[in-house]
Formats: sequence, C-alpha cells, structure tokens
Amino acid sequence: DAEITQSPRHKITETGRQVTLACHQTWNHNNMFWYRQDLGHGLRLIHYSYGVQDTNKGEVSDGYSVSRSNTEDLPLTLESAASSQTSVYFCASSEQRGPNNEQFFGPGTRLTVL
Amino acid sequence: EDKVVQSPLSLVVHEGDTVTLNCSYEVTNFRSLLWYKQEKKAPTFLFMLTSSGIEKKSGRLSSILDKKELSSILNITATQTGDSAIYLCAVEYREGDNYGQNFVFGPGTRLSVLP
Repeated sequence: DAEITQSPRHKITETGRQVTLACHQTWNHNNMFWYRQDLGHGLRLIHYSYGVQDTNKGEVSDGYSVSRSNTEDLPLTLESAASSQTSVYFCASSEQRGPNNEQFFGPGTRLTVL
Repeated sequence: EDKVVQSPLSLVVHEGDTVTLNCSYEVTNFRSLLWYKQEKKAPTFLFMLTSSGIEKKSGRLSSILDKKELSSILNITATQTGDSAIYLCAVEYREGDNYGQNFVFGPGTRLSVLP
C-alpha cells in the first residue's frame, strides 16, 4: 500500500548541530509539505514543494531548508539546531490539482534540541 | 495576513453530549476549508468544504461552511470517549498566480470527552 513515512521518529540533539529529518512517500504525489506543531500554534508550514527541484518557504522557514531531488523524498534540514526548534514535525503530501485536496500526513518526528 | 481562528480552544464534555466546534478565517482567494482530527499521531482528514450551505456528514460528525460569514462549524453528536482529540481547521487559498496548494491552520480545539 502507498504510504508516507518519516524518520527518525524521535531525535535528541544539541544546539548548533545539523539535523536532517527524512520524509518519503510512495503515492507519487507532486506536492509535499513540512509542518511543525507546537502547543498553542497548531500546525505551521515550514517549507513546501510542488515538484522535483521546486521548493518554497512557508510561514516559519528561518533556520530550515529542504531539497527535492526526486518525487518521493523531501528531507528537512536544520542547519544549526536551536532550542526553539524543539517540536513535533509532520510531513505531508497531496495530489496536485486533484478534485480532493486532502493531505496525507506522516506519523511525525519528535525533535528535542538540548 | 491570512489567519484561521478556532473556538473554543479547549472543551470538556460528557459522553452523549453534542458539541459544536467553530472555525473562522480571513484569507484572500479562498479555495476550501478542511477539518482534521488529531489524536496521538498525525492528523486524519475529516471533511473538505468548498461550497456554502452544503452539509457534509460522516456518522456522528457533520460540518458546514458559511462563505458569507467566513466560517465553518463541526458538529459531533452523541459524543464518545474516542472522540477525544484535537480538531484542526485548515483553509486552502490561492496566492497570486500560484495555482498550487497553500494552507493556513488554526490552533485547534482540544476536545475531552469524559465517561
């Protein structure tokens, strides 16, 4: 069955370190998204991509970067992790211009920056 | 600034009660409004609303969009403890000439259903 996976599921790191969170989907969706979820904020969009080689900044993109070298993967990189980036990160994907704009979410990655 | 507001932010009810969750939005170039249920995992999709006044229903859950009032409600009848979750409202909008998907999420309503 098609799915969307994230790894690692849990990560503890130190401030200043580079961290990469993986997202992989097998639906062949063009659209992929990264969100972070914090109490009181709901989901906030970090970066998104509408296809290979396409990346766009979201609402809270500072300190994060993404790359899209193929359809299936959108890794999220924290160049120099900060304690403010402690959060739960969700990756999502969706079909482009389909009649149903539903996003399919991954299971989430809990990141703790000490 | 595009934004989505949900109310209440937190709600505690007893099994069998009926609840109404509210979502209001301010976006330009509105395309659709989506409701999600989030438990201890990634949000799961409930409804997508694009037309005003047409109720969508799934079991004990129903939702309707009012484009004139820029709002939507999510109703849950005969609540059960399994309905305890965070309910997220998201609005999709078109930005400029960008025909891709842009979303803004509300903060969510935390619903607790007590036995």
